[in-house]
Amino acid sequence: TQLLEQSPQFLSIQEGENLTVYCNSSSVFSSLQWYRQEPGEGPVLLVTVVTGGEVKKLKRLTFQFGDARKDSSLHITAAQPGDTGLYLCAGAGVEIKAAGNKLTFGGGTRVLVKP
Amino acid sequence: NAGVMQNPRHLVRRRGQEARLRCSPMKGHSHVYWYRQLPEEGLKFMVYLQKENIIDESGMPKERFSAEFPKEGPSILRIQQVVRGDSAAYFCASSPNRGVSPLHFGNGTRLTVT
Repeated sequence: TQLLEQSPQFLSIQEGENLTVYCNSSSVFSSLQWYRQEPGEGPVLLVTVVTGGEVKKLKRLTFQFGDARKDSSLHITAAQPGDTGLYLCAGAGVEIKAAGNKLTFGGGTRVLVKP
Repeated sequence: NAGVMQNPRHLVRRRGQEARLRCSPMKGHSHVYWYRQLPEEGLKFMVYLQKENIIDESGMPKERFSAEFPKEGPSILRIQQVVRGDSAAYFCASSPNRGVSPLHFGNGTRLTVT
């Protein structure tokens, strides 16, 4: 069974501060996706990282995939109240042919950015 | 811009009743995934279907739960004889192919069992 652990579970910061969310596993994933979920809505994809060591930037968000493809991090620079939400990492297993897009989700990190 | 449509958004059932949750994937998507989310938790995979086929149901409870995706019409997640522990948000996602591609999620059905 593949498991993804996210830390911290909850993060409360002031507007303008930086934050990092971690996603760790003992399993290797073929790719890792980050989603953001607002209350009452479904998760929305932010980014997919595929290659070990890959770094992707999306405005103030920086995503990194570990060299061994077992872990990932999300760093937000100069956070804004609009960044508030539940951040979820999700890994796709290496057995792509059988699993399709079956994702293993982490438990989520709830981020609160206070104005 | 029709995304993944789920209905109903909210469903209240008494213990022992049946719950039927519907999901219409994005246009052109023939792969559907159902996930369950308990409050303050991540999503747990339940079942993966392609038109008229169940590909992977390893996350489905063995009893009371079933899913289908007929040739015509939406995918249906059916829960028979609901219990309080079935209360959760159920999300459907779709993708255009079997490979690793972005999943598009619906806004979920929140099931409350009283």
